[in-house]
Amino acid sequence: AQKVTQAQTEISVVEKEDVTLDCVYETRDTTYYLFWYKQPPSGELVFLIRRNSFDEQNEISGRYSWNFQKSTSSFNFTITASQVVDSAVYFCALSGMGGGSNYKLTFGKGTLLTVNP
Amino acid sequence: DAGVTQSPTHLIKTRGQQVTLRCSPISGHKSVSWYQQVLGQGPQFIFQYYEKEERGRGNFPDRFSARQFPNYSSELNVNALLLGDSALYLCASSLTRESRNSPLHFGNGTRLTVT
Repeated sequence: AQKVTQAQTEISVVEKEDVTLDCVYETRDTTYYLFWYKQPPSGELVFLIRRNSFDEQNEISGRYSWNFQKSTSSFNFTITASQVVDSAVYFCALSGMGGGSNYKLTFGKGTLLTVNP
Repeated sequence: DAGVTQSPTHLIKTRGQQVTLRCSPISGHKSVSWYQQVLGQGPQFIFQYYEKEERGRGNFPDRFSARQFPNYSSELNVNALLLGDSALYLCASSLTRESRNSPLHFGNGTRLTVT
């Protein structure tokens, strides 16, 4: 069975602070994919990044960066110089390759990020 | 290009009734997936359809059913509604069958309230 744990239920920061959202996953698959999605109040899930299990390079996209560490089964997400528009619920998700699970995502419970002006 | 569109946006039903939710995928996307998101939780997988065939089903009772039409749009049906079915129902489309090859693109969802 696959599992994604986002231990931080809510985080509140002041604008321009850096913030890291934690994600820990469990899977028996040797090949798998990890995702981050953003859900603003409108409800739509916005795709941010996909990373496969063979690529442990960190990735940076503007103010966003991701740290994938297979040894600790973690895929953390950092927002640098946070802005009010970053306020949303952020979900980490996992997609496996075996046991019929390669077509669905297993989501964590999400982290509500509030950026105050 | 239009994103994934879902209708209706909000719906209120009574226990025991039946409901049909609709989804139109992004143009060119052949895979449609349905997810249920209960308040305060992450989305949970219900179904995936690819090329009009069911390719996967999550841990949901038989009261939940779906289908995909020749134009790749999809309907999710829920019979004998329970209070616990109240949730945001999200539809997602992707270019290919497997999420490893293309990410899922989600719609804004249908908010279902069962009273």
